[in-house]
Amino acid sequence: QLQLQESGPGLVKPSETLSLTCTVSGGSIRRSDYYWDWIRQPPGEGLEWIGTIYYSGSTYYNPSLKSRVTISVDTSKNQFSLRLTSVTAADTAVYYCARRSGTYEDYWGQGTLVTVSS
Amino acid sequence: QSALTQPPSASGSPGQSVTISCTGTSSDVGGYNYVSWYQQHPGKAPKLMIYEVTKRPSGVPDRFSGSKSANTASLTVSGLQAEDEADYYCSSYAGSNMWVFGGGTKLTVL
Repeated sequence: QLQLQESGPGLVKPSETLSLTCTVSGGSIRRSDYYWDWIRQPPGEGLEWIGTIYYSGSTYYNPSLKSRVTISVDTSKNQFSLRLTSVTAADTAVYYCARRSGTYEDYWGQGTLVTVSS
Repeated sequence: QSALTQPPSASGSPGQSVTISCTGTSSDVGGYNYVSWYQQHPGKAPKLMIYEVTKRPSGVPDRFSGSKSANTASLTVSGLQAEDEADYYCSSYAGSNMWVFGGGTKLTVL
């Protein structure tokens, strides 16, 4: 059974960089038929697609975040990562990693709350 | 790229049917048959309920169905049950390898 697990600091100071890692277990991140997503959800609000990475390293980002986001993949560790720079309180959210199977996310991590505060 | 429009809330009594709409544009919902629906219970990760407008993943009850007309997709839950009470989100392909979600609808089973 595929499992995804987010990890990283739960508290980040304003103007600093948010860094999260998603560890994939029970399957290979190198499978050619899957992509890997980051999605976030501010408290009490809806879902927002952040971006997608393919195992080859190809990336696609939400235009509204593109200038601040970098998603990378480490196939040797079966992990992919998110970096979001210059964070503000508006970046406070539960961050999810997920597997994209073509046109939909079929496996999700449990999510991790990241709070931006001094 | 703007969020898809969903009603904030919907409700129905047990056994009834309820339909949740998801309105986009010709650049997303109307342009592709790549609309998905997700169910999210409080404190939990979203769960895929419908993909590619009408398809149901294995294990999802056939009480859940999807459809689309022009720029609006819909999720219908028939024979409402207490466990269907949750937030529902639509998602659509928006071209150029981009994806957009709806704002979410809170479904209440009365």
